[in-house]
Amino acid sequence: GENVEQHPSTLSVQEGDSAVIKCTYSDSASNYFPWYKQELGKRPQLIIDIRSNVGEKKDQRIAVTLNKTAKHFSLHITETQPEDSAVYFCAAPMNSGYSTLTFGKGTMLLVS
Amino acid sequence: DGGITQSPKYLFRKEGQNVTLSCEQNLNHDAMYWYRQDPGQGLRLIYYSQIVNDFQKGDIAEGYSVSREKKESFPLTVTSAQKNPTAFYLCASKERVTYNEQFFGPGTRLTVL
Repeated sequence: GENVEQHPSTLSVQEGDSAVIKCTYSDSASNYFPWYKQELGKRPQLIIDIRSNVGEKKDQRIAVTLNKTAKHFSLHITETQPEDSAVYFCAAPMNSGYSTLTFGKGTMLLVS
Repeated sequence: DGGITQSPKYLFRKEGQNVTLSCEQNLNHDAMYWYRQDPGQGLRLIYYSQIVNDFQKGDIAEGYSVSREKKESFPLTVTSAQKNPTAFYLCASKERVTYNEQFFGPGTRLTVL
């Protein structure tokens, strides 16, 4: 099965700075990598995802990069705002059927 | 808020009692999932179902049971065999096709006293 490692576990930044969260995965066959955001007391919600046929995807202030050779992908948030404060989870398919996901342990981002 | 609901929001039970958590969706999704969330542990998969009357164990199925008698419903029973049941439980659903989003319910916080 897939193993997903996520770093750092906590990240504090000043408003307006950039934030980067990194994840590594073990299964070289994986080719779908979503990122979920969970605000305090709320449910996780998908914010961006990437498939392995591209190396980068952007959506306004957030972007995800993928390095298939090194088996890692990263979430980049630019011009951080207080409302970006949340826990972020990366994920990768648990099996080749893509019916289930293995999640990282999460990164708590604090923007002050 | 997405068409997937969980009830109740908070649940308290005495040790040794079984308890059933409800998950309902009106999104017409085939696949449904149960996750357990503990501080610093991320989301861990308990059980999942891709179709009515069929379900599979996830990584931490011991002490839990599920049923999938209707497409809309996927209840989770936390049995007395689960050694550390106090946690936040999240239900999710998605279309059966590849590469698409899992939609999460609001969660149930279970506390076993």
